[in-house]
Amino acid sequence: DAGVTQSPTHLIKTRGQQVTLRCSPKSGHDTVSWYQQALGQGPQFIFQYYEEEERQRGNFPDRFSGHQFPNYSSELNVNALLLGDSALYLCASSPTGGNYGYTFGSGTRLTVV
Amino acid sequence: AQKVTQAQTEISVVEKEDVTLDCVYETRDTTYYLFWYKQPPSGELVFLIRRNSFDEQNEISGRYSWNFQKSTSSFNFTITASQVVDSAVYFCALSDPASGGSYIPTFGRGTSLIVHP
Repeated sequence: DAGVTQSPTHLIKTRGQQVTLRCSPKSGHDTVSWYQQALGQGPQFIFQYYEEEERQRGNFPDRFSGHQFPNYSSELNVNALLLGDSALYLCASSPTGGNYGYTFGSGTRLTVV
Repeated sequence: AQKVTQAQTEISVVEKEDVTLDCVYETRDTTYYLFWYKQPPSGELVFLIRRNSFDEQNEISGRYSWNFQKSTSSFNFTITASQVVDSAVYFCALSDPASGGSYIPTFGRGTSLIVHP
């Protein structure tokens, strides 16, 4: 049973560019959450998608947007990249409710130069 | 607002030593959930345990044990007879209804555990 799959694993972008990260949730999970983890920090919640809609959002600017598809997979888009956006971006999936803990992917390491 | 504090930034031990990772949390809700995750160098967060606020029973799973004390708002994690493979960053997390009803986990800053052979 495949867990959470994220692509790409690594990415280098130039300041001002746009980036799209992808996530396929664990089988049976319908809720996808995205987290940003800066070096040496804990994961910070960006937003959560359920039934193809953004259900909850953390303290991130509108440059961060997302989408969820009918098959529950999700994308994270970041526009006008800043150097400070360099981080590990983690996708987590959960069954409806999420109280039983999230299953995380291995993340996408984004470097903005 | 919820908050999770992991005061220990890094712990270094020699193999076979016991080690305890501390976690202190803050929440105004009576119903909440606490988690521990392990993050090896590969980057993936691995779920270790979930406790709800109504279950203060301590738990043991192999070499791992967890001590949940509501009186001190702590949820500490002990590894007995540590092994090199335990080397990782460990995160404590809290979710409660204050997260807009979606129980979004808030993570601490993590404790890096280094186990030397």
